[in-house]
Amino acid sequence: QVQLQESGPGLVKPSETLSLTCTVSGGSFNTYYWSWIRQPPGKGLEWIGYIHYNGNTNNNPSLNSRVTISADTSTKQSSLKLTSVTAADTAVYYCARGQRGGYTSGWYVHFFDYWGQGILVTVSS
Amino acid sequence: DIQMTQSPSSLSASVGDRVTITCRASQGISRYLAWFQQKPGKAPKSLIYAASSLHSGVPSKFSGSGSGTDFTLTISSLQPEDFATYYCQQYSSYPLTFGGGTKVEIK
Repeated sequence: QVQLQESGPGLVKPSETLSLTCTVSGGSFNTYYWSWIRQPPGKGLEWIGYIHYNGNTNNNPSLNSRVTISADTSTKQSSLKLTSVTAADTAVYYCARGQRGGYTSGWYVHFFDYWGQGILVTVSS
Repeated sequence: DIQMTQSPSSLSASVGDRVTITCRASQGISRYLAWFQQKPGKAPKSLIYAASSLHSGVPSKFSGSGSGTDFTLTISSLQPEDFATYYCQQYSSYPLTFGGGTKVEIK
């Protein structure tokens, strides 16, 4: 059974860097896309970005300059770093696995199948 | 960015009802459309991909249809465990975007 587990600090100070890790168990890390998605309290879902197992990344332009997503295939972990956080970055952060779902407009696209349980990160001094 | 609009934003239904949720994309996305179910305090659960394909283990009471810009999620006979918020999401182009959600409540 594939499982994803987010970990990291639950509290980050404004202007600092949010750092989270997603650890994959029960399945392969290779061939998949590993995304980060967040959900502010009481609100909807926002895709942050992904890393493919081959190292390719793609981030949401709304956050692009503040986001770095990396991966370590040997430990089956994906990591998210979000710099210069503010209260608006307070959210539950999820990691999700993506399976390749087609090729369109020059891109391979993927759909989510497994999600982590999520981790609440609060930005506050 | 492709905007995803769900309707209604909430609905009240009874156990046994047939429920339909609509999702509209701001431009054509072929069939690159997914649906998720989220219960309070829990992570989203993947229900459907490619507009109408059920993920493994998802009961057949859930069905999806549509292509291009208009899509629907149907629950054939609503059960107590189906009361939740449902989201659509397009994966035709980046950035990936979600609808605002439809909350299905007990009447």
